Amino acid sequence: LAKTTQPISMDSYEGQEVNITCSHNNIATNDYITWYQQFPSQGPRFIIQGYKTKVTNEVASLFIPADRKSSTLSLPRVSLSDTAVYYCLVGDGNTNAGKSTFGDGTTLTVKP
Amino acid sequence: DTEVTQTPKHLVMGMTNKKSLKCEQHMGHRAMYWYKQKAKKPPELMFVYSYEKLSINESVPSRFSPECPNSSLLNLHLHALQPEDSALYLCASSRRLAGDSYEQYFGPGTRLTVT
Repeated sequence: LAKTTQPISMDSYEGQEVNITCSHNNIATNDYITWYQQFPSQGPRFIIQGYKTKVTNEVASLFIPADRKSSTLSLPRVSLSDTAVYYCLVGDGNTNAGKSTFGDGTTLTVKP
Repeated sequence: DTEVTQTPKHLVMGMTNKKSLKCEQHMGHRAMYWYKQKAKKPPELMFVYSYEKLSINESVPSRFSPECPNSSLLNLHLHALQPEDSALYLCASSRRLAGDSYEQYFGPGTRLTVT
């Protein structure tokens, strides 16, 4: 499984755009990149997933360069409620069950 | 119904006790997972069931015994645990997206304390 590296923590202010980058140098051809958000004492929640280029949904964007060795989660105009741990996963798509390994995560703190 | 439920929310057990954690989903997902999460650490995969069959066991000690009675239910039977097994136990199910990609839905977890 591809290992991921993320910053341990980031600080931001309300209303700012936040970009969290994840490195995955040995990503495999059939691996997808997935980001999850986790609040204290809750299970992780799916944010966004992509394979290449750019993906956007109602809460975030995911930028993946052509070499796919890194990815950037972009959260537009964060609020205090976006304070959470964000995990980047690179999945093993070879099983029926989609096994992925969580990286160490980035703790995002949004200040007023 | 787009949620994964877990019971109990909290569990305190002695090292000689036998207890079970329960997980349920009614989204028709055919893959279900158990994770263990220690404080300030990422979730660690323990077991994966695919179509009610155990497909992945991440070298978990035998004092943890998973069971998948049907496609909606996942149990984790606990016996003779150690204090270091105290953690948040998360259940998840997944649905397939495009190609070989999956979206996992997590339950709120069971906070287990072993005394």
